[in-house]
Amino acid sequence: DGGITQSPKYLFRKEGQNVTLSCEQNLNHDAMYWYRQDPGQGLRLIYYSQIVNDFQKGDIAEGYSVSREKKESFPLTVTSAQKNPTAFYLCASSISARQRDTQYFGPGTRLTVL
Amino acid sequence: KQEVTQIPAALSVPEGENLVLNCSFTDSAIYNLQWFRQDPGKGLTSLLLIQSSQREQTSGRLNASLDKSSGRSTLYIAASQPGDSATYLCAVSLLGSGGYNKLIFGAGTRLAVHP
Repeated sequence: DGGITQSPKYLFRKEGQNVTLSCEQNLNHDAMYWYRQDPGQGLRLIYYSQIVNDFQKGDIAEGYSVSREKKESFPLTVTSAQKNPTAFYLCASSISARQRDTQYFGPGTRLTVL
Repeated sequence: KQEVTQIPAALSVPEGENLVLNCSFTDSAIYNLQWFRQDPGKGLTSLLLIQSSQREQTSGRLNASLDKSSGRSTLYIAASQPGDSATYLCAVSLLGSGGYNKLIFGAGTRLAVHP
């Protein structure tokens, strides 16, 4: 099956902890994205990567970090600097970052701060 | 700054009704507009994508229209079914500052279709 997988589905974090959310795709897509979704709000872009070993900040990158060492993987670390991390996190990928290429979304990870 | 608004925020209808979901955007310089479906606690599924040069797209019981000059799109669902219950998100595509495909999302319309 081709697609995007995210793990874990649910994640709980204590205050002051860093946690890492996994995103893997086997679609051979160059571009990958991380979004955050809060209740009653649209998705907001955290980081994106157009190719391996390259990534750029989105609209709400503060308190987050990413890496792109492999084409199929784009993990997101939520650091202790992120003051309000409780949200639903969605990963997406597209063939490229060009506007004509549709983004495909993973099933999401729900992060809760205890 | 591009903003996307969806009205209504929530909608509850009996099965069989035809319904219209609305999306408006403030900047007409979009590349395309996309409608997504999101089931509770799940990811997004693309329903329809309308290029900026197009007026509408159809898929089964779904029809989406785009009026770029007025900054509006509508998603029409014919003969609604309980299985249509979900949140429907609208997103416009812009050219991001890094030269990438930037999507701006609305907050969604939560639809409940009851038998």
